[in-house]
Amino acid sequence: KNQVEQSPQSLIILEGKNCTLQCNYTVSPFSNLRWYKQDTGRGPVSLTIMTFSENTKSNGRYTATLDADTKQSSLHITASQLSDSASYICVVSAGYGGSQGNLIFGKGTKLSVKP
Amino acid sequence: EAEVAQSPRYKITEKSQAVAFWCDPISGHATLYWYRQILGQGPELLVQFQDESVVDDSQLPKDRFSAERLKGVDSTLKIQPAELGDSAMYLCASSPGGSGFYGYTFGSGTRLTVV
Repeated sequence: KNQVEQSPQSLIILEGKNCTLQCNYTVSPFSNLRWYKQDTGRGPVSLTIMTFSENTKSNGRYTATLDADTKQSSLHITASQLSDSASYICVVSAGYGGSQGNLIFGKGTKLSVKP
Repeated sequence: EAEVAQSPRYKITEKSQAVAFWCDPISGHATLYWYRQILGQGPELLVQFQDESVVDDSQLPKDRFSAERLKGVDSTLKIQPAELGDSAMYLCASSPGGSGFYGYTFGSGTRLTVV
């Protein structure tokens, strides 16, 4: 069964600190992996998208890594800001490029950044 | 930057009433998705359209939910009659083509509260 599991479920950090969120998946065939940021009451916004051959991708203070062998991904947030408080959702796409594959969503990690 | 438009942003309805949500995808996006997101959970796919055709509605509770995309552009999701358990965020997303590789863009969602 295709699954995406995220940890921790929730996380509280102080402003300015770094943190790392984890995503483990069992999805086949693997197409790509995305990290989304979802502010409370808003739709998810894409941070990064990574394909099988990509190990690292950065978007400002966000850096995502992908280990396709162990089927793990992480999202590292550097120098956190209060505006980083949100849910971070890992989404894995199953299927081949161009085909109508499925999106498998993790339940998200709720990050709270405190002053 | 192109956006997926959804309306209304918030909707409160009484149990057993009918309710409808509207979505206008990014221009030119052939694929449109409706998701339901219960608080604290990841989004769950309700229905996927390719142009005006439904390609996946296996998770749509068809006894009360219906969705249409008559001209292959905007879409409407309807619930009749609404039940208390339908309270959730309803997200619309669109992509240029098949879901395997292309980016998804989500709308801001409609927050439904059934009382």
